[in-house]
Amino acid sequence: NAGVTQTPKFRVLKTGQSMTLLCAQDMNHEYMYWYRQDPGMGLRLIHYSVGEGTTAKGEVPDGYNVSRLKKQNFLLGLESAAPSQTSVYFCASTTPAGTNQPQHFGDGTRLSIL
Amino acid sequence: AQSVTQLGSHVSVSEGALVLLRCNYSSSVPPYLFWYVQYPNQGLQLLLKYTTGATLVKGINGFEAEFKKSETSFHLTKPSAHMSDAAEYFCAVTRSGGSYIPTFGRGTSLIVHP
Repeated sequence: NAGVTQTPKFRVLKTGQSMTLLCAQDMNHEYMYWYRQDPGMGLRLIHYSVGEGTTAKGEVPDGYNVSRLKKQNFLLGLESAAPSQTSVYFCASTTPAGTNQPQHFGDGTRLSIL
Repeated sequence: AQSVTQLGSHVSVSEGALVLLRCNYSSSVPPYLFWYVQYPNQGLQLLLKYTTGATLVKGINGFEAEFKKSETSFHLTKPSAHMSDAAEYFCAVTRSGGSYIPTFGRGTSLIVHP
């Protein structure tokens, strides 16, 4: 039972490069989320999705794009990476059975932008 | 609107001592409350949650939390700290009928000294 899987686990980019982070979940969850975690800032929501083909902006969406073409996958893209995007990125998912359901998290992608 | 405040970004205890991590919330309607634990280089995992019913909730690894409506608190406790409890702890809140976007506290880092 894999749960939420994020790839890659680590990546170093140069300023201006682009990349895509992949999140895959095998729990048939409708809702998926992308967060970034920075020291002292807790978790900040970047984008989220309430179902296949839908996406919405979170608290800090600038510089990121997302796509949810398949229910089990949620992609986070950086079109032109900036040093301020150096962070640890977490994907999460949950079921819409009720807001009393917890989120399930991946182990993160550690991204450094030089 | 809802918010979460975790008092103390760092809490230091000796092995065997009581662990107390504080969480206060604000919510206009009855909340659902969660504690998550994050071990180094891992994602968040659910420690325990309060939805309805018994206000004292038991979780994994000997942790428990008590929902106190009058104090708008959901503090996390463990009678005797173990070295393996060293981690980051996050309190989160959602509410019945609300969105599926939880509000997280900024986290408390638990340091356990031998």
